[in-house]
Amino acid sequence: DADVTQTPRNRITKTGKRIMLECSQTKGHDRMYWYRQDPGLGLRLIYYSFDVKDINKGEISDGYSVSRQAQAKFSLSLESAIPNQTALYFCATSDWGNDREGTQYFGPGTRLLVL
Amino acid sequence: AQSVTQLGSHVSVSEGALVLLRCNYSSSVPPYLFWYVQYPNQGLQLLLKYTTGATLVKGINGFEAEFKKSETSFHLTKPSAHMSDAAEYFCAVSDRRGQNFVFGPGTRLSVLP
Repeated sequence: DADVTQTPRNRITKTGKRIMLECSQTKGHDRMYWYRQDPGLGLRLIYYSFDVKDINKGEISDGYSVSRQAQAKFSLSLESAIPNQTALYFCATSDWGNDREGTQYFGPGTRLLVL
Repeated sequence: AQSVTQLGSHVSVSEGALVLLRCNYSSSVPPYLFWYVQYPNQGLQLLLKYTTGATLVKGINGFEAEFKKSETSFHLTKPSAHMSDAAEYFCAVSDRRGQNFVFGPGTRLSVLP
């Protein structure tokens, strides 16, 4: 079984709709991250969480919100989706307690299309 | 603020040829450096990383990278390309607190038969 899972893997939605992308991990890591990937731009950080009570904005948080429901779960919401949020979204984890180098481990991604 | 540049958004090599993917970084202090690979329809996988010690780092699948502080570079190489190496490669940096992870824009590697 995959250590970091994302649901759904693909999603098509309409402008103005609220959607949620979910991430779960069985690695026991304390830190979790949400990124979006756009061609030619690499990965850009949306939000990150160092533990359940610590959530921080990343480079491009506008239009997004997150919830860290448990150590193993970190959800990303688009409150009112717009077409330029069409992208590939990745969840990642890292284990600060045992790896102070910050290596990140990625889920398989969610491909989102906003019409 | 840290930043990463990758020269060449797309690199093509012939099977068996040398692979060289370039990465330069900007950081006020020596960072931690990473190379990740993304195969089609998959997430990113760690290839190798440099933190401290030996500046030549070996990773999985025959790849290696050398940290050159004077050139602020961390180029990725493989002596002989294989068809299975076709993927997108990302260079990334983080500060020495394991935070402020910044990815480069990526280089797509094509391997020609």
